[in-house]
Amino acid sequence: EPEVTQTPSHQVTQMGQEVILRCVPISNHLYFYWYRQILGQKVEFLVSFYNNEISEKSEIFDDQFSVERPDGSNFTLKIRSTKLEDSAMYFCASSTGVVRQNNQPQHFGDGTRLSIL
Amino acid sequence: KNQVEQSPQSLIILEGKNCTLQCNYTVSPFSNLRWYKQDTGRGPVSLTIMTFSENTKSNGRYTATLDADTKQSSLHITASQLSDSASYICVVSAGYSSASKIIFGSGTRLSIRP
Repeated sequence: EPEVTQTPSHQVTQMGQEVILRCVPISNHLYFYWYRQILGQKVEFLVSFYNNEISEKSEIFDDQFSVERPDGSNFTLKIRSTKLEDSAMYFCASSTGVVRQNNQPQHFGDGTRLSIL
Repeated sequence: KNQVEQSPQSLIILEGKNCTLQCNYTVSPFSNLRWYKQDTGRGPVSLTIMTFSENTKSNGRYTATLDADTKQSSLHITASQLSDSASYICVVSAGYSSASKIIFGSGTRLSIRP
């Protein structure tokens, strides 16, 4: 069964540095998402992406964050200047339809654990 | 305020027993409700998806119910197996405007004992 893959599985970065998290969604999916889960807390929606542009974003997704689909397969999340509070598990997901409007399931990757020192 | 509350926070049952997990939400306007299973160190896996008009949805030993009037959902697991040990997360999506939200519950951590 096709899977969403994320790399790296663990990223350690100095505070203030830029970090790029990478995701390869399922090939025929059209909608892409990033979520984060701070240790011991709820999963939080960050951003959704469709047709090469952001379709929705949460309050968390401020100017320090950006997303890109640089080619036909990768979907990346960039944090421009990392802060200690950015330490979390970041999940990528993809779906064939819009999560909030239809019955298409989201498929999640296994996440990238980001540790900011 | 859009919220999703799950109970219990954690649950331990013996293998082979049934259990029911609860989800209450105050998300409006309601679009759909999803239950996910999240194994430790893994991403969430979709179990069921229900829209406003659906009262129940099954996926193998998992059965979800939805009462849109009381804004409650439950996930019933029958004949539990050791592999059911995981966190179960209720997610509610609010619909249709540019301010739509995807709200996650805190999850119920289920442990199955042999």
